[in-house]
Amino acid sequence: QVQLQQSGPGLVKPSQTLSLTCAISGDSVSSNSAAWNWIRQSPSRGLEWLGRTYCRSKCYHDYAVSLRGRITITPDTSKNQFSLLLNSVTPEDTAVYYCARDPLAYYWYFDLWGRGTLVTVSS
Amino acid sequence: QSALTQPASVSGSPGQSITISCTGTSSDVGSYNLVSWYQQHPGKAPKLMIYEVSERPSGVSNRFSGSKSGNTASLTISGLQAEDEADYYCSSYANSDTLVFGGGTKVTVL
Repeated sequence: QVQLQQSGPGLVKPSQTLSLTCAISGDSVSSNSAAWNWIRQSPSRGLEWLGRTYCRSKCYHDYAVSLRGRITITPDTSKNQFSLLLNSVTPEDTAVYYCARDPLAYYWYFDLWGRGTLVTVSS
Repeated sequence: QSALTQPASVSGSPGQSITISCTGTSSDVGSYNLVSWYQQHPGKAPKLMIYEVSERPSGVSNRFSGSKSGNTASLTISGLQAEDEADYYCSSYANSDTLVFGGGTKVTVL
C-alpha cells in the first residue's frame, strides 16, 4: 500500500524558511512514471498547486509561477522522500500543506495525498 | 494563472442528479483534456474522483461522471447520497507546465 508521510514544523516565523518533508512508502521518488507534488490550501486562496519534482535519467522540477524564486522542491533518493522549501514566508503562506503523487507525470492528476500539515506563519 | 470558476454551492435531494461546472479559458480547460475532480470532506485530504476529463479511478462509484465542452468542464453526481455531501474541486493543466485549481463547490444533500 502506497503511503505519503509528511513531517515538519507547524509554526514558522515571518521572513524565515518553511521546510516540509514527504516520505514515500510503497513507491519510489525515482519512479520512471510518477511526479511528486506539493499543494497547499487556505481559506483565502483555496487549493493551490505549488510545484513538483520527477526523476528520469535525472531529476526535474516545475514550480507555480507565483512562487518562482521562493520555492525549491528536492528529491532525496537515499531516503525515498522529497522536500519543500519556501523562503521569505509571510502570514499569507499560512495554509495546510499537502504532498501528493501524480502517477503519470504528464497527466497532471493526484491519486495519493498525504494527510496534510497545518503551517502557521506568525511571530 | 487565475483559478478556475466553480459555483460556490450546489444542492440536491437524495436520488437526484446534480452537475458542477468548472469554467476556465483556452489556456487551460479549453486546450487540454487534463481536467480532474476531487472530493474533500471536512478535515480530510482531497480524494481523486475523475481524471482526464471523464476517467474514473478504480473504487470510485460510477455515479460520478465527468465531461467537457469548450472551456467548461462538468462533474455530474447521479443518485445523490448523503455521503456525497462534501466540497468538490476541479483542476486543469495550464500552459507552461503548471496546474490551476477551481475555487471549490460545496455540495449539500437536502
